Amino acid sequence: GAVVSQHPSWVICKSGTSVKIECRSLDFQATTMFWYRQFPKQSLMLMATSNEGSKATYEQGVEKDKFLINHASLTLSTLTVTSAHPEDSSFYICSARVGDTGYTFGSGTRLTVV
Amino acid sequence: GQNIDQPTEMTATEGAIVQINCTYQTSGFNGLFWYQQHAGEAPTFLSYNVLDGLEEKGRFSSFLSRSKGYSYLLLKELQMKDSASYLCAFMDSNYQLIWGAGTKLIIKP
Repeated sequence: GAVVSQHPSWVICKSGTSVKIECRSLDFQATTMFWYRQFPKQSLMLMATSNEGSKATYEQGVEKDKFLINHASLTLSTLTVTSAHPEDSSFYICSARVGDTGYTFGSGTRLTVV
Repeated sequence: GQNIDQPTEMTATEGAIVQINCTYQTSGFNGLFWYQQHAGEAPTFLSYNVLDGLEEKGRFSSFLSRSKGYSYLLLKELQMKDSASYLCAFMDSNYQLIWGAGTKLIIKP
């Protein structure tokens, strides 16, 4: 089946630094990747949709200069949290569309900013 | 507008049956998904309904009524490992997923 590999699984960083999260589609080409954030006991919140070779589409309220998304190839999409602050601590998950109606998720990244 | 609603938490007994309901409102609809999510992990796919009716998959079944904007996930012969959050999500006219807040299911021995 379609697999998305997400790294790192967890990361602790200092306030003010940047963190890059990678999602790779291992056995299929992901033209579209969705990036979600999930706070404890809350549902998934879509942050942005990235399309290979073009600019990402950000949801309302998500700072594009803070959450940099790059989708340079059909198998790799990255999310960089720049100048991280403690309030950015969250669970970040990527998801790729497979076919017309299928979705597969990465394993998630637990970010803690101290 | 669009919205989706499901209970926050439910409790059931091991070996029993539980039904988790989900209601939604949207002008464009391309199917409804159910996902299971254990704490600290990514969601895993359970079911997809795009036509009315019941889809059975082992111990799990999912039902959809498009006219009522209603779906449920039925879990039979509950096991302790079924303790998790269950997320419903519908796909809108742009093929984007709109997520419910999730139902935390607690299984007691």
